[in-house]
Amino acid sequence: SYELTQPPSVSVSPGQTARITCSGDTLPKKYAYWYQQKSGQAPVVVIYEDNKRPSGIPERFSGSSSGTMATLTISGAHVEDEGDYYCYSTDISGNYGKFGGGTKLTVL
Amino acid sequence: EVQLVESGGGLVQPGGSLKLSCAASGFTLSGSAVHWVRQASGKGLEWIGRIRIKSNNYATSYIESVKGRFTISRDDSKNMAFLQMNSLKTEDTAVYYCRAGFDPWGQGTLVTVSS
Repeated sequence: SYELTQPPSVSVSPGQTARITCSGDTLPKKYAYWYQQKSGQAPVVVIYEDNKRPSGIPERFSGSSSGTMATLTISGAHVEDEGDYYCYSTDISGNYGKFGGGTKLTVL
Repeated sequence: EVQLVESGGGLVQPGGSLKLSCAASGFTLSGSAVHWVRQASGKGLEWIGRIRIKSNNYATSYIESVKGRFTISRDDSKNMAFLQMNSLKTEDTAVYYCRAGFDPWGQGTLVTVSS
């Protein structure tokens, strides 16, 4: 079955750059999406189609994808960026979605 | 305001059924595939299925663990989508979210399967 692999946790100090990776075999051909989820809230998209940032998402959030790895970068992380981050993509047919296991970002 | 609102969650016994609704406001749902995603307490997000738009023949896909038990449908005239869940198991206990395309998401509705 198709899998997306993320590190369970990433920790940075405020102002540092946080990078969260997502590895998957179909990422060379399928877009990656990144969702932020804070405790008790619904997920919010922070990056779509590998590197596009929705309106209202701070410029410190950026995305990239190369080969089988997509990366979410938070340049100059803020304490309020803490939460769980999930990558999302589809299988090669595009018929089945998949989330990575999630990465808990700690900023302190 | 663009918004999705789920409803219909609750407590149900194993083997029972429940139908969740997803109502869109502020945009036309008919232009988006609708996905259902669940999250068990303390766990990650799990994509469970989706229904495409009319021009894609409302094609549906489901993960293996819910195939044959769950059915996704939509009523574009009402700007709504639905998740019919039958033969529920304790492991189906989760918060269920609907999502239009890649965004927006609803706030989620809790489904608890327990005797």
